[in-house]
Amino acid sequence: DGGITQSPKYLFRKEGQNVTLSCEQNLNHDAMYWYRQDPGQGLRLIYYSQIVNDFQKGDIAEGYSVSREKKESFPLTVTSAQKNPTAFYLCASSLPGNYGYTFGSGTRLTVV
Amino acid sequence: QQQVKQSPQSLIVQKGGIPIINCAYENTAFDYFPWYQQFPGKGPALLIAIRPDVSEKKEGRFTISFNKSAKQFSLHIMDSQPGDSATYFCAASIRGSRLTFGEGTQLTVNP
Repeated sequence: DGGITQSPKYLFRKEGQNVTLSCEQNLNHDAMYWYRQDPGQGLRLIYYSQIVNDFQKGDIAEGYSVSREKKESFPLTVTSAQKNPTAFYLCASSLPGNYGYTFGSGTRLTVV
Repeated sequence: QQQVKQSPQSLIVQKGGIPIINCAYENTAFDYFPWYQQFPGKGPALLIAIRPDVSEKKEGRFTISFNKSAKQFSLHIMDSQPGDSATYFCAASIRGSRLTFGEGTQLTVNP
């Protein structure tokens, strides 16, 4: 079955450490996105990529970095510069045009 | 102008009721309006979507009503069930650009 796989499902990080969240899709989608979701809040866009080797900052990119070396993969690194990284992180992908997004199951990151 | 305003923030109905969630937008260039359903601890899933050339779209118990002149669209859930309890997000995009999401509505359907 085609879909988006996010790993790990739960992640714990010590303050001051960088951590990388994985997102892999086998849907042959061109565009990929990273969102952050805090309890009881909406979806805030961190970064997005519409094509391999290219990506753009979203609304809350500070303290995050991404790469898009392969069409299937769009990893997100939460750096130590991110002041409040504890959140639920969602990866999504889409085809060009208005076809909606397919979301992964998310990674819950907790800073301890 | 890129914002999508969603209301209410939370909604509680009895089983069998018809919850209605509303969204409003300013940018008349938006041409795709999807709704997503999210269960706790899961990613959102596309529920139903509409384009501005139609005023209503129904899929099963879920209906989108679209009012182009008022720049509003809404989700109606007929014969709601406890299993419909989830967070619902509206969204909008222009010619396949990235989606702009509403703030979300937490729906609770009591047995």
